[in-house]
Amino acid sequence: EDQVTQSPEALRLQEGESSSLNCSYTVSGLRGLFWYRQDPGKGPEFLFTLYSAGEEKEKERLKATLTKKESFLHITAPKPEDSATYLCAVRPNTGGFKTIFGAGTRLFVKA
Amino acid sequence: DGGITQSPKYLFRKEGQNVTLSCEQNLNHDAMYWYRQDPGQGLRLIYYSQIVNDFQKGDIAEGYSVSREKKESFPLTVTSAQKNPTAFYLCASSIGVEQPQHFGDGTRLSIL
Repeated sequence: EDQVTQSPEALRLQEGESSSLNCSYTVSGLRGLFWYRQDPGKGPEFLFTLYSAGEEKEKERLKATLTKKESFLHITAPKPEDSATYLCAVRPNTGGFKTIFGAGTRLFVKA
Repeated sequence: DGGITQSPKYLFRKEGQNVTLSCEQNLNHDAMYWYRQDPGQGLRLIYYSQIVNDFQKGDIAEGYSVSREKKESFPLTVTSAQKNPTAFYLCASSIGVEQPQHFGDGTRLSIL
């Protein structure tokens, strides 16, 4: 069964304390992996798409990487405004528009 | 600015009542989607539409209905058959199946 698991469920960091969020997936072929940021009461905001193992994408303090079984979202020197829930989603190579979302990691960055 | 507009932001449903959630996009995207988000769970797909006048059931379509009469609009009706409708509903669109989805800011539905 296709599955996406994110860890940890919640992460508390001090401002400037770098860390990583994990997204593990088991799918029958990967068409694409997506990272989103979601603020409370808002819709998810698209961050990155990764298509193949070894691929990396960067945006400001965020860097996403992809292996054959997992993806990491690295946060370098986070600031309080980086506090949000980060969602990982996988589109399996089974045809159609099916996208499987993880439950997310809630990130809290304290000043 | 282009984007997806969902309305209303908050909605309350009475017993036995059908309610309709609005979703409009001006991104000129062909594909549109409806998801349900519950605490501690990933987004679950209710319905999606690839083109006008065509839509497909997702994983949890029971108790919901949709229409796609215009490219820009994809309303979702939560019927009285949906026994547990309290959730955060998100509408999304994408250019195509390979591309990321872009989301509206959601509608929170509660039971009166």
